[in-house]
Amino acid sequence: GQQVMQIPQYQHVQEGEDFTTYCNSSTTLSNIQWYKQRPGGHPVFLIQLVKSGEVKKQKRLTFQFGEAKKNSSLHITATQTTDVGTYFCLVYNAGNMLTFGGGTRLMVKP
Amino acid sequence: GAGVSQSPRYKVAKRGQDVALRCDPISGHVSLFWYQQALGQGPEFLTYFQNEAQLDKSGLPSDRFFAERPEGSVSTLKIQRTQQEDSAVYLCASSLVGLAGEQFFGPGTRLTVL
Repeated sequence: GQQVMQIPQYQHVQEGEDFTTYCNSSTTLSNIQWYKQRPGGHPVFLIQLVKSGEVKKQKRLTFQFGEAKKNSSLHITATQTTDVGTYFCLVYNAGNMLTFGGGTRLMVKP
Repeated sequence: GAGVSQSPRYKVAKRGQDVALRCDPISGHVSLFWYQQALGQGPEFLTYFQNEAQLDKSGLPSDRFFAERPEGSVSTLKIQRTQQEDSAVYLCASSLVGLAGEQFFGPGTRLTVL
């Protein structure tokens, strides 16, 4: 079956430092979505990537889809305390199976 | 406009009881998803509806779990003879388009089975 791994599981950063989370799949993906879940909250959609090698930016967030469409990354530049939360990837494979990664929990020290 | 709503927000059940969890999706959204999220884990897919048709129920963990969306709007997730391992947050999400659209999540129902 489809396996999705997100690394790291946890990341502590000092406010102002950069942060990156990686999402790796065992199968080729048709597309990938990223969500953010604040503590006690529900997942909120951030972005969708569809094309091989695609890069999208949202202010301090940069999302990338790998050339082989098996992995993706989310990079945050100069983290702020408002970035605290768990970042999940949601992957879709060619068979329309959808699977969430285990998430990366980001903690930011002010 | 209103987002996805779920009720109840919290449910405590004794082992062996049946429970019913309700999801009101965003009006006009075609797709509806149910997920189970254990503490500290990512959401696990349970089932997917397109309008009233249940197109995928491969994630339902056992035949004690049943979901329906009879009129293509409100959906109910029913768990029969609850077990302690069913304790989790049950999330509902809806999407305007098909399977791969942006999903809008409800606040979830936290189920605790004693």
